[in-house]
Amino acid sequence: SQQGEEDPQALSIQEGENATMNCSYKTSINNLQWYRQNSGRGLVHLILIRSNEREKHSGRLRVTLDTSKKSSSLLITASRAADTASYFCATFDRGSTLGRLYFGRGTQLTVWP
Amino acid sequence: EADIYQTPRYLVIGTGKKITLECSQTMGHDKMYWYQQDPGMELHLIHYSYGVNSTEKGDLSSESTVSRIRTEHFPLTLESARPSHTSQYLCASSDRGPNYGYTFGSGTRLTVV
Repeated sequence: SQQGEEDPQALSIQEGENATMNCSYKTSINNLQWYRQNSGRGLVHLILIRSNEREKHSGRLRVTLDTSKKSSSLLITASRAADTASYFCATFDRGSTLGRLYFGRGTQLTVWP
Repeated sequence: EADIYQTPRYLVIGTGKKITLECSQTMGHDKMYWYQQDPGMELHLIHYSYGVNSTEKGDLSSESTVSRIRTEHFPLTLESARPSHTSQYLCASSDRGPNYGYTFGSGTRLTVV
């Protein structure tokens, strides 16, 4: 993989539980982004956290970033069946002026009703 | 969901045929990208463009070609399709600086038989 590696590869939980996905990366970054992909569809941008930020919230989503460990986590609280999807982290390298993102393999989240 | 459109959504075609996957966006974005994604796998950048008449190859070697004659249009062409080209192809666009996410189309699922 060029950059991000998500962990776990697959996660299965019940509705109402929290889901936590982790992402590790290799280089210095400008920002890290999380995307969601429903089966057979394109990706949807969820949230972006800059390298000088440590935590960010958006609705039921909470993202943390630890640049010393080169890792990030995405927490979805009170999960719903509709949250079932693949979640990808993507990094924008600090040295990049060209606007390219590098994606990991994703975490497949299944939320059971 | 997004102002970026890919056609067709699904395509089954015989080996040796020439195909063009269409991608159009109505947001006036300068940057556009083509990614290839196999099921359950990460996204691989195969082509990108920073504006009209600007195209570059991505990280993954691809036998496809692209053109950018108009800002809104970024088609991908395979001169002679092979079964190894079977995959999902995702088009994306972005604008402004690095602290903004990509907008993705819904993808084209290509099967070469």
